Amino acid sequence: DAGVIQSPRHEVTEMGQEVTLRCKPISGHNSLFWYRQTMMRGLELLIYFNNNVPIDDSGMPEDRFSAKMPNASFSTLKIQPSEPRDSAVYFCASSPTGREGLLTKETQYFGPGTRLLVL
Amino acid sequence: DQQVKQNSPSLSVQEGRISILNCDYTNSMFDYFLWYKKYPAEGPTFLISISSIKDKNEDGRFTVFLNKSAKHLSLHIVPSQPGDSAVYFCAASARNAGNMLTFGGGTRLMVKP
Repeated sequence: DAGVIQSPRHEVTEMGQEVTLRCKPISGHNSLFWYRQTMMRGLELLIYFNNNVPIDDSGMPEDRFSAKMPNASFSTLKIQPSEPRDSAVYFCASSPTGREGLLTKETQYFGPGTRLLVL
Repeated sequence: DQQVKQNSPSLSVQEGRISILNCDYTNSMFDYFLWYKKYPAEGPTFLISISSIKDKNEDGRFTVFLNKSAKHLSLHIVPSQPGDSAVYFCAASARNAGNMLTFGGGTRLMVKP
């Protein structure tokens, strides 16, 4: 299996521009998570999908951020308009099952991340 | 308000010695805890976990200890190796939150040869 795939790996953009990050979860996984990693706040959960439905988006910073999962094999995280404080590494992770999977070590599998720099 | 805290942003240890990484949590609903390891330019990968019904779990050189009364867990690496140099994240799962994880801020471990 190729693992979780994220694109692009690096993105440099100017303030005010729209940014779209993409994620392909591991086939068969029905949970998908978007995280943001910064020096100040560590690894924060932004949004969590289960069976393509957003379950918890309380971590989404503000209305400039939106996420979609149109099907089981694809998700996007969009920032519009982008700001310099959005600069971070954004990770996508997928998980095969609910809590039963977590307890049998079928835990979240992370992609390599997208490093975003907003100038 | 961070529910999972790793108060040491970095730790430096000599090769062959023990590395101890600490994690504190505040949410009493957390009943499953995990450690993830992250190398530069890669995503975090699962390392070891522990259920709240246990106070210790061991896997090779890695041992996780849980002190529920203190809401504290620690990861011990013995002996430490240069390849262990990475950022370590503590994570917790609440019994009413499915497979969602709450992560700490991470501790950067440097093992010197």
